Amino acid sequence: EDQVTQSPEALRLQEGESSSLNCSYTVSGLRGLFWYRQDPGKGPEFLFTLYSAGEEKEKERLKATLTKKESFLHITAPKPEDSATYLCAVQAGTGRRALTFGSGTRLQVQP
Amino acid sequence: SAVISQKPSRDICQRGTSLTIQCQVDSQVTMMFWYRQQPGQSLTLIATANQGSEATYESGFVIDKFPISRPNLTFSTLTVSNMSPEDSSIYLCSVLSPLGNTEAFFGQGTRLTVV
Repeated sequence: EDQVTQSPEALRLQEGESSSLNCSYTVSGLRGLFWYRQDPGKGPEFLFTLYSAGEEKEKERLKATLTKKESFLHITAPKPEDSATYLCAVQAGTGRRALTFGSGTRLQVQP
Repeated sequence: SAVISQKPSRDICQRGTSLTIQCQVDSQVTMMFWYRQQPGQSLTLIATANQGSEATYESGFVIDKFPISRPNLTFSTLTVSNMSPEDSSIYLCSVLSPLGNTEAFFGQGTRLTVV
């Protein structure tokens, strides 16, 4: 059974204080690892898909990296507008195309 | 990317009634997915809906409770039947990108409260 574990559950940062969010996974042949941002009352907003160990992707202050067992979402010099819940999900390499999600990390960036 | 419109965005319903949620996509997609997000929780897959075939339900979800229609490649509906307060959740429609199935996009969700 595919499993995704995210840590920490919640993270409070000061504006400009860089940090990383962790996503550990077990999956039957990884097809893709997805990162999303979710604001309260809204659907998840797609950020990145990573496909193989060693891959990195960047978008503004966010950088996602992938190993064979986990992924990190690095947030560099965060701003208050980066406050949101960040969700990690995996897509298995079997015929199943639906995503399996972790429980998310609630990030709060204080000015 | 794919743009997904969900209706209604929110509703308050009486227990015992049913609500149908609509999902419209701006491009043709093979697979559509319905997820549930209970308060403070992450997303749980309800079912996968492919055009022209019966929906495939995950363990713990049944067709009588969550009937799904998929009449064409851009539209799907999820009905929450005989509702109880435990059905209060956000319901989300999702699709894979038309090219390569390597990105997954979500609608804004339907916030359902059952009283």
